[in-house]
Amino acid sequence: GNSVTQMEGPVTLSEEAFLTINCTYTATGYPSLFWYVQYPGEGLQLLLKATKADDKGSNKGFEATYRKETTSFHLEKGSVQVSDSAVYFCALSDPGGSYIPTFGRGTSLIVHP
Amino acid sequence: SAVISQKPSRDICQRGTSLTIQCQVDSQVTMMFWYRQQPGQSLTLIATANQGSEATYESGFVIDKFPISRPNLTFSTLTVSNMSPEDSSIYLCSVEAGGLAGVGYNEQFFGPGTRLTVL
Repeated sequence: GNSVTQMEGPVTLSEEAFLTINCTYTATGYPSLFWYVQYPGEGLQLLLKATKADDKGSNKGFEATYRKETTSFHLEKGSVQVSDSAVYFCALSDPGGSYIPTFGRGTSLIVHP
Repeated sequence: SAVISQKPSRDICQRGTSLTIQCQVDSQVTMMFWYRQQPGQSLTLIATANQGSEATYESGFVIDKFPISRPNLTFSTLTVSNMSPEDSSIYLCSVEAGGLAGVGYNEQFFGPGTRLTVL
């Protein structure tokens, strides 16, 4: 079956530091890959996505590249802000199957001024 | 995109009671989903609700404990029955994006969640 593995948190950084949150996946087909973000007290929002190998998703300074050879979709940002403090979820879904994504456990990011 | 609202946003309930959570979407959607997010955990899918048919429950969840209604294409309810402290969680409603104009394939939109505490 499909699965998503994320690095454990919390990740604690100072403002303007470089961020990497690792995500690897297992899938039987060719999934679409997503990063969702959950700000405190809110539901999940789609942050970025990639639908095929070597695609790069980007949004709000965040980037992730679909690496089929390493089955990875690591999230990066060059300079984090306090407002980026949130929980980040990596997810995959099978375009040929149901729309229901498989989520990772989530990684909490805390950014200090 | 889809805008999803949930009621209530939070509640504190007594053991043995039931709570019904409402989910309203601003556009017609075929599939709606109910998730549970326990403290510090990822999302666990409870069930999928299609309009006009019975909900499909995931392993470990049963209709008697989590009855779901889906009376039309913009609304659904989830009831948490006979609650215990283990039911304390965030309950999230979501919709799949297929068919929504201007939205990428296979995306999901989530409501803000209902934070339930059972004493």
